[in-house]
Amino acid sequence: DVKVTQSSRYLVKRTGEKVFLECVQDMDHENMFWYRQDPGLGLRLIYFSYDVKMKEKGDIPEGYSVSREKKERFSLILESASTNQTSMYLCASSPLGHLNTEAFFGQGTRLTVV
Amino acid sequence: AQTVTQSQPEMSVQEAETVTLSCTYDTSESDYYLFWYKQPPSRQMILVIRQEAYKQQNATENRFSVNFQKAAKSFSLKISDSQLGDAAMYFCAYKRGADFGNEKLTFGTGTRLTIIP
Repeated sequence: DVKVTQSSRYLVKRTGEKVFLECVQDMDHENMFWYRQDPGLGLRLIYFSYDVKMKEKGDIPEGYSVSREKKERFSLILESASTNQTSMYLCASSPLGHLNTEAFFGQGTRLTVV
Repeated sequence: AQTVTQSQPEMSVQEAETVTLSCTYDTSESDYYLFWYKQPPSRQMILVIRQEAYKQQNATENRFSVNFQKAAKSFSLKISDSQLGDAAMYFCAYKRGADFGNEKLTFGTGTRLTIIP
């Protein structure tokens, strides 16, 4: 059974803290993605990566960075958490070049910044 | 940039009835892929159905089918014989074709579907 695992389902952090959201996939996928989900806004792409050490900005990268040191792991970093980063964060992966194959998602991390 | 529009924030349907969720998209590409995802209260995003733009035939998966109108850039989802387990957020998504290293999905804002017993 394929799996994308996010390290936390719920997280509460203080304003100004550095926050790490971890995502691991066991499907040997090249592509990995971080989305943010907000009511009425759907899923918006923060960053994505198609290979180790590679990273590409999505639609809303401000205030975030990422790290991909190993193929199976993609980390999202909030350098200095702010209350407007309170949201649901979804990680996904997909195989490179298999365009008709869907992306597989983790169960999401609901982050609250207080 | 591609955009995906879901104009129905909420829909409801009686159990066993049929419901159609709307999705339109904007693209200048001719090669692309479309998906419908379901997100139940568990938050796990699950693929419902996919459609390749080069295929004229509408995709079908059991009770789920699409009406793909390429010229109109429309991709609606029909759920037949609605069941309580179909209650969820439904997201329409677009992926460009043949764009190495840029295989991201662009999502719509979602439609929350309620099933009335």
